Amino acid sequence: EPEVTQTPSHQVTQMGQEVILRCVPISNHLYFYWYRQILGQKVEFLVSFYNNEISEKSEIFDDQFSVERPDGSNFTLKIRSTKLEDSAMYFCASTYYGGDGTDTQYFGPGTRLTVL
Amino acid sequence: AQSVTQLDSQVPVFEEAPVELRCNYSSSVSVYLFWYVQYPNQGLQLLLKYLSGSTLVKGINGFEAEFNKSQTSFHLRKPSVHISDTAEYFCAVSDRNTDKLIFGTGTRLQVFP
Repeated sequence: EPEVTQTPSHQVTQMGQEVILRCVPISNHLYFYWYRQILGQKVEFLVSFYNNEISEKSEIFDDQFSVERPDGSNFTLKIRSTKLEDSAMYFCASTYYGGDGTDTQYFGPGTRLTVL
Repeated sequence: AQSVTQLDSQVPVFEEAPVELRCNYSSSVSVYLFWYVQYPNQGLQLLLKYLSGSTLVKGINGFEAEFNKSQTSFHLRKPSVHISDTAEYFCAVSDRNTDKLIFGTGTRLQVFP
């Protein structure tokens, strides 16, 4: 069964450093998402992406964050200058169609980001 | 703004017993409702979803949920749990204007032998 994959599974970085989290969505999916979960807190939406553009973003997704689909298979989340409070589990998700809330989002296993 | 409340952070239950995980939501528009499960070291997996129609929704692994508009609830039930059902369960809401899922804080179901 097709699945969303994410690398690395765990990333440790120093405060102020740039990190790139990578995701490979399901191959025929067209809509992509990032969520994060700070330890002990809710899973929170960060951004949705379709047709090489951001469709929607949350208040969390400020100028320090960016997303990119650099090729036909990868979808990345970049944090330019990490802060301690960016430490969280980051989940990538994808759907075949989107925009109306009905399609099932398939989630990857997550990348645990630890900022020291 | 939409929100989801999962009042029970942990639910301990013995194997083969029934279980109900509670979820309440608030929204000013018609909603879509979802239950996701997260097994240790894995991503979120959809158990079931309510979009429209019958208020009783059946999902994978013997789970079902009932949409109750008047009580703004979408409780998850299983008549007989297994050890393998031990996991974190998340209720989520969206609507037709967005793909953004709003999640609850999750309920940890612990099944004991």
